[in-house]
Amino acid sequence: TQLLEQSPQFLSIQEGENLTVYCNSSSVFSSLQWYRQEPGEGPVLLVTVVTGGEVKKLKRLTFQFGDARKDSSLHITAAQPGDTGLYLCAGADLIQGAQKLVFGQGTRLTINP
Amino acid sequence: EPEVTQTPSHQVTQMGQEVILRCVPISNHLYFYWYRQILGQKVEFLVSFYNNEISEKSEIFDDQFSVERPDGSNFTLKIRSTKLEDSAMYFCASRERSGGWAEAFFGQGTRLTVV
Repeated sequence: TQLLEQSPQFLSIQEGENLTVYCNSSSVFSSLQWYRQEPGEGPVLLVTVVTGGEVKKLKRLTFQFGDARKDSSLHITAAQPGDTGLYLCAGADLIQGAQKLVFGQGTRLTINP
Repeated sequence: EPEVTQTPSHQVTQMGQEVILRCVPISNHLYFYWYRQILGQKVEFLVSFYNNEISEKSEIFDDQFSVERPDGSNFTLKIRSTKLEDSAMYFCASRERSGGWAEAFFGQGTRLTVV
């Protein structure tokens, strides 16, 4: 059974600080997606990383896929209150076939003004 | 921008009743999925559907569940006899292609409450 563990589960920091969220597994994934989910809504895709070691930037957000494609991180620089939300990582298990997603349990981020 | 749409947004049903959750995936997408999220827990895979048949299902997806693509646009999840533990958010997702990697896009969800 593939599992993705996110850490920390909860993080509360002050506006302007930097933070990193981790997503770890013992399994290899063909790709890994990061989503953001608002209460009562569906996950909204932020980014997909595919190649081991890949780094992608989305404004103040930096996403990295581990060299072995088993782990990923999300780093936010100078966090803003608008970054508050639930961040989910999800790994896709195969390049061919169903490519179902295995989700982490999420990191609930609170940025205090 | 194309999006996955789900109806209804909220469904309340009595235990033992049948419910049908509806989804309209993005029009040129080929793979369709149902996931569920029990309150406070992880998003869990239920089933994937490709080329008019189930391609993979989880152990959660037992005989009480079925999926159908009755026409070219809708994708439905039926729960035959609902149980209290079926209460959850149900998300439909779709993906563009079958080979290589491709991103999955999610609908806004249907909150199912079984009473």
